[in-house]
Amino acid sequence: GQQVMQIPQYQHVQEGEDFTTYCNSSTTLSNIQWYKQRPGGHPVFLIQLVKSGEVKKQKRLTFQFGEAKKNSSLHITATQTTDVGTYFCAGPRGNKLVFGAGTILRVKS
Amino acid sequence: NAGVTQTPKFQVLKTGQSMTLQCAQDMNHNSMYWYRQDPGMGLRLIYYSASEGTTDKGEVPNGYNVSRLNKREFSLRLESAAPSQTSVYFCASSPSLGTIYFGEGSWLTVV
Repeated sequence: GQQVMQIPQYQHVQEGEDFTTYCNSSTTLSNIQWYKQRPGGHPVFLIQLVKSGEVKKQKRLTFQFGEAKKNSSLHITATQTTDVGTYFCAGPRGNKLVFGAGTILRVKS
Repeated sequence: NAGVTQTPKFQVLKTGQSMTLQCAQDMNHNSMYWYRQDPGMGLRLIYYSASEGTTDKGEVPNGYNVSRLNKREFSLRLESAAPSQTSVYFCASSPSLGTIYFGEGSWLTVV
């Protein structure tokens, strides 16, 4: 069945450095969603990408959807301590969403 | 703005005990879900309900049962808890395949 693979599993960066997490699907996705989970919290929706090659920005966060709609990335410019948490991508499979395993981001100040 | 409310927030069970996690949403969403989250495993779907009156198995349904009581409520039952079911459980809802809204989580420990 469809899987959504996410890398890296874990990244520890110095405050001010950039960060990128990648999401890859074995099948073409109609859309992809990104979520953020703060330590001890629950996942919160960030954004949805629908179009091939789509790029969306939210302040320091840049989201991309691949041309083939099988991969996506989240890039954070100049990380801050408030960026810590786990970032998940999710793609639809039938009438439910399949989540990647997530990338844990730690930021050293 | 209650959103998705799940109870209890924390629970300790002995092996073999049963319990029900309750979940309610006030957003009039059709779909509801139960996930479990374990370190390094991401979010794994236990059961979901695409609409009132229907339930379907997810990735890890063994040891669990669910009830979609009405459009608002979706409960998860552990009939005979096992230590392997120690986890954080999240209830969630969505308008079909739209954005998923999560509850705050229930921390369950089985000893």
